[in-house]
Amino acid sequence: DAGVTQSPTHLIKTRGQQVTLRCSPKSGHDTVSWYQQALGQGPQFIFQYYEEEERQRGNFPDRFSGHQFPNYSSELNVNALLLGDSALYLCASSFGQTGRRETQYFGPGTRLLVL
Amino acid sequence: GDSVTQMEGPVTLSEEAFLTINCTYTATGYPSLFWYVQYPGEGLQLLLKATKADDKGSNKGFEATYRKETTSFHLEKGSVQVSDSAVYFCALSGGYGGSQGNLIFGKGTKLSVKP
Repeated sequence: DAGVTQSPTHLIKTRGQQVTLRCSPKSGHDTVSWYQQALGQGPQFIFQYYEEEERQRGNFPDRFSGHQFPNYSSELNVNALLLGDSALYLCASSFGQTGRRETQYFGPGTRLLVL
Repeated sequence: GDSVTQMEGPVTLSEEAFLTINCTYTATGYPSLFWYVQYPGEGLQLLLKATKADDKGSNKGFEATYRKETTSFHLEKGSVQVSDSAVYFCALSGGYGGSQGNLIFGKGTKLSVKP
């Protein structure tokens, strides 16, 4: 049973560039959430996708956007990269539009460095 | 809004010592509570969870009890091992103050266990 997978594992970009990160959810899951984890901090919620629509969004600017495909996989796009976007980006999957009882399972993350 | 506060680290213990990591929360409604663990260079793994007051979550010798009266979910283990060295995150989901379908994390507590 494959868990949550993310690609790439590491990425280096320069300020102003755009980046796309990818996530495949755990088998049987249909909801994908994205989190940003700055060094030494807890993860911060970016947004959640269910049925190919953004259902919830955290306090992140419009430079952060996403997409969910019919096979439930998801992409996170960040435009006009800033140095402060350097972080570990975590994808989490769950089943059903996540309510309070559903456990989210995390992937290994993509580490993004912006120079 | 909903929030989680956990004890500052790092925490350094000798092998077989007793572990307590304090976690308190602020939330309206009836959130679920979680402990996640992050090993160096990896994503987050669910350690245990509790979905209602007085529930006890347990896994791999770790335990935590959902205390609504003290708004706490402290993590305990009777005898730690070197392999328990990691960063531990307390989190909540399902409160009415911004965590209805996403996780809100504490800042994490780094645990180092010495042989």
